[in-house]
Amino acid sequence: DVKVTQSSRYLVKRTGEKVFLECVQDMDHENMFWYRQDPGLGLRLIYFSYDVKMKEKGDIPEGYSVSREKKERFSLILESASTNQTSMYLCASSKRAGASETQYFGPGTRLLVL
Amino acid sequence: AQKVTQAQTEISVVEKEDVTLDCVYETRDTTYYLFWYKQPPSGELVFLIRRNSFDEQNEISGRYSWNFQKSTSSFNFTITASQVVDSAVYFCALDSGSARQLTFGSGTQLTVLP
Repeated sequence: DVKVTQSSRYLVKRTGEKVFLECVQDMDHENMFWYRQDPGLGLRLIYFSYDVKMKEKGDIPEGYSVSREKKERFSLILESASTNQTSMYLCASSKRAGASETQYFGPGTRLLVL
Repeated sequence: AQKVTQAQTEISVVEKEDVTLDCVYETRDTTYYLFWYKQPPSGELVFLIRRNSFDEQNEISGRYSWNFQKSTSSFNFTITASQVVDSAVYFCALDSGSARQLTFGSGTQLTVLP
């Protein structure tokens, strides 16, 4: 079974703090994704990565950056957290690039920025 | 551009009733894939089904069935004899080659009452 894990289930941070969200997958998947989920908006793609050290912007990259130093790990960074970044963050991975590949998700991190 | 519409924001049914969740999609690509995911209260998105655009056969898996109709650009999901454990948010998603990413609908919150 594919396993995607995220470093925290719940996180509370203050405005202006630097926040790291970690995601690890154990199935040697090439692709990794970061989404945020907000009520009524579904999931929106922040960034994705098709390979180590490679990243591409999704639909809402502003205020975020990512890092992929190893194949199994994909980090989402909020350089200076703001209250409008309070959300549920979901990481996903898929085997390789292409529309046929199923994405598998982690349990999510609920981030509250005060 | 691709788009997924789940017009039903919330549905409530009583246990053992059948329920259909609607999904309408838009894409200009001829090759694309449609997905359904379930998100229980725990937060993790669970993959349910993937269907490619060339396969219009309906699919049944236990109490779950899916009706794919290209003529109406719909990919509806029916749960037969619903159970309390079916209570969750259900997402429909579309992935086409030109977009290179998964586009989600806004989700339908299903509540099954005992």
